[in-house]
Amino acid sequence: QQQVKQSPQSLIVQKGGISIINCAYENTAFDYFPWYQQFPGKGPALLIAIRPDVSEKKEGRFTISFNKSAKQFSLHIMDSQPGDSATYFCAASRETSGSRLTFGEGTQLTVNP
Amino acid sequence: KAGVTQTPRYLIKTRGQQVTLSCSPISGHRSVSWYQQTPGQGLQFLFEYFSETQRNKGNFPGRFSGRQFSNSRSEMNVSTLELGDSALYLCASGGTSGGREKFFGPGTRLTVL
Repeated sequence: QQQVKQSPQSLIVQKGGISIINCAYENTAFDYFPWYQQFPGKGPALLIAIRPDVSEKKEGRFTISFNKSAKQFSLHIMDSQPGDSATYFCAASRETSGSRLTFGEGTQLTVNP
Repeated sequence: KAGVTQTPRYLIKTRGQQVTLSCSPISGHRSVSWYQQTPGQGLQFLFEYFSETQRNKGNFPGRFSGRQFSNSRSEMNVSTLELGDSALYLCASGGTSGGREKFFGPGTRLTVL
């Protein structure tokens, strides 16, 4: 019940397009859902996060959509740029387990110029 | 503010040896978590320390241990290294929002020969 499943494994988008990455979780006790961006040779960087009392959160070109009943959440990257090419990870945590993050498998995004 | 620093950045060891990795969190942060990242298993939680106390532990063998000092710096130790321990070891510093936000360092790339 601790799993977070992420799809697709890889994604290719044209510059200016919308990138969409999806995650699904099983444990309804999860109450914090962050997204991380990782470039080669770097550690993951926190992009944006959401809590289940909100259905959508937007920060610049990045938007999280959250569907509590379906136990799914997704990351939308609007106007995708070549500089967005990276690996994206969704994650989840629950307060009763401290701040331990359970990560999805990752999505390798390539934005073609 | 300086980010999370990890030393060393790269390490090569042979099977059977032991290794100690170091992490300095963001100034003012009291929570330090460790994660192992491999191509096959993805990002997996090792343990978390808060104010020198381990408050959460992942499913790793006892060869993996850690500690946190009074200045919040943390060390992670792996004894009797195995080939499968080759990975990127990431340290994450806890931020605001009750420590739910995690900020990762660049990682230590450990290669076991």
